[in-house]
Amino acid sequence: DIEMTQSPSSVSASVGDRVTITCQASQGISSWLAWYQQRPGKAPKLLIYGASNLHSGVPSRFSGSGSGTDFTLTISSLQPEDFATYYCQQAKSFPVTFGGGTKVEIK
Amino acid sequence: QVQLQESGPGLVRPSGTLSLVCDVSKLSSTYYWVWIRQPPGKGLEWIGCIYQSGDTYYNPSLESRLMISVDRAKNLLSMQLNSVTAADTAVYFCTRRDSGAYGDWFDPWGQGTLVTVSS
Repeated sequence: DIEMTQSPSSVSASVGDRVTITCQASQGISSWLAWYQQRPGKAPKLLIYGASNLHSGVPSRFSGSGSGTDFTLTISSLQPEDFATYYCQQAKSFPVTFGGGTKVEIK
Repeated sequence: QVQLQESGPGLVRPSGTLSLVCDVSKLSSTYYWVWIRQPPGKGLEWIGCIYQSGDTYYNPSLESRLMISVDRAKNLLSMQLNSVTAADTAVYFCTRRDSGAYGDWFDPWGQGTLVTVSS
């Protein structure tokens, strides 16, 4: 299985801050990476696919980059509705695997 | 926009069978339909998926206990997990796998249904 490692596991930030989350794959996955946002008690929502493609309706303050084994999700200016947990996901090979999650908390 | 809604028993006895259905508003044959679960307070685990041909792909960690099926006439996606233990307690989500030149992703998702395994 391809292991996905996210860091940090949690981050405290203020509204307006720039936040960066990293995801590392245990082997190369090209650009076959997606990012999701999950608010408490809700289903995950797709933010980014193909490592850097913004899903329809997702604010432009979200961006993704990377390829191979190292990926980044950046929130350029954190908004109150962005406090949530974020997951990366690889679909290069079965079984599909997710990172352990990064919780973005209010400072 | 397709909508998905899971339903299930809520409580299952240890060693029993967990059976869930997902009502899909438009069960297109050109997508994979997927089950994913999330134990309370933990991360996401891919369970498996099914394609129009009936081909299924299961997580090896669950494969010996798992069956995923589709009833296209009723627009229902189903899963059965046998011999459950407390470790199977989770919120279970159904979702659609989309794909393109840049890989695969899951969208949209059902709201999830909590299944607790307990005596």
